[in-house]
Amino acid sequence: GAVVSQHPSRVICKSGTSVKIECRSLDFQATTMFWYRQFPKQSLMLMATSNEGSKATYEQGVEKDKFLINHASLTLSTLTVTSAHPEDSSFYICSANEETLGGYTFGSGTRLTVV
Amino acid sequence: GENVEQHPSTLSVQEGDSAVIKCTYSDSASNYFPWYKQELGKGPQLIIDIRSNVGEKKDQRIAVTLNKTAKHFSLHITETQPEDSAVYFCAANQAGTALIFGKGTTLSVSS
Repeated sequence: GAVVSQHPSRVICKSGTSVKIECRSLDFQATTMFWYRQFPKQSLMLMATSNEGSKATYEQGVEKDKFLINHASLTLSTLTVTSAHPEDSSFYICSANEETLGGYTFGSGTRLTVV
Repeated sequence: GENVEQHPSTLSVQEGDSAVIKCTYSDSASNYFPWYKQELGKGPQLIIDIRSNVGEKKDQRIAVTLNKTAKHFSLHITETQPEDSAVYFCAANQAGTALIFGKGTTLSVSS
């Protein structure tokens, strides 16, 4: 089945630094990937839609200059949290749509802790 | 945009009992309704899905029903087992767009 690999699984960074999270579709091409954020005991909230070769579409309230998304190939999308602050600490999850199977596959998530 | 409501937020059952989780959606154009199971610290795992041209789908102990007129769909788990304990999320969307999730249901199955 379709597999999405997300790295790193956990990262701790200092306040003010930047962190990059990678999301790869291993056995299919994903023209579109989605990035979600999940706070403890809450649901997955859509942050942005990442489109290969074009700019990402951000949801209302998500700062595009803080959460940089790059989707340079059909198998890789990256999310960079810039100038991270403790309130950015969360669980970040990517997802890709495997069009031939019609389903959505999720990465294993990245636990970001900003200290 | 789409809005998905999910109930209950918590559900406790005895092993062997059935569990039912219900969701409603707002966008009549939505045509894809998956259910995900999420264990602590992990990404969501698809357990079953249904499309708008089908009213019911079953996979062993798990079934999903869809009522397009009422815009609601439900997850049914029969013969629950302790390993079914997790957080379950419903979602809805139109094909190709982002999934919009309900707030989740924490299912606890006690032996």
